Amino acid sequence: AQSVTQLDSHVSVSEGTPVLLRCNYSSSYSPSLFWYVQHPNKGLQLLLKYTSAATLVKGINGFEAEFKKSETSFHLTKPSAHMSDAAEYFCVVSSVSGNTPLVFGKGTRLSVIA
Amino acid sequence: DTAVSQTPKYLVTQMGNDKSIKCEQNLGHDTMYWYKQDSKKFLKIMFSYNNKELIINETVPNRFSPKSPDKAHLNLHINSLELGDSAVYFCASSQVAGPNYGYTFGSGTRLTVV
Repeated sequence: AQSVTQLDSHVSVSEGTPVLLRCNYSSSYSPSLFWYVQHPNKGLQLLLKYTSAATLVKGINGFEAEFKKSETSFHLTKPSAHMSDAAEYFCVVSSVSGNTPLVFGKGTRLSVIA
Repeated sequence: DTAVSQTPKYLVTQMGNDKSIKCEQNLGHDTMYWYKQDSKKFLKIMFSYNNKELIINETVPNRFSPKSPDKAHLNLHINSLELGDSAVYFCASSQVAGPNYGYTFGSGTRLTVV
């Protein structure tokens, strides 16, 4: 069985300050991990994915995440927040073998204050 | 040249009606999915098809019936719509493990039952 816990339902940062969105996972297989972003009334956009290669994963728009097996974590970070980063972020787990459904966390809403 | 396209984007209908949502992918993926996003933005798998065969059917009322005429299409038919069916429905497709492993989502169909 697989599950994801996003530790914060809402994170608020000032523009230009670092972003940290926390995610812990549980998986009985070798996991694949993803972060997706959803802007208001929009679809889901893939930010980055981990599939058992390098543990530090770089994604789009300056985001990155580090897979830490010992801590079962996959936190999302960005050095400097932009107003356009305000959105809902989902941490997602699947199995590395593919073609298995994604299991979503409950989401973290990121607010960016000017 | 949309990778995963859903129609319609918005659907407003009365209780008791029957409606369909269509999904098509042009990525050559073998597996397609339907996810439901509720009012709290939680996303959950409903169905998964691999090469036109149903492989996952979560605890979804049997008023929901997926149909896959070929591996590029996965439609969702809903009978006797209820108020609680109001949600955003996302179609997705995935590629088997490999360098291109990943999931692609459609832009969603917002269903409102009145």
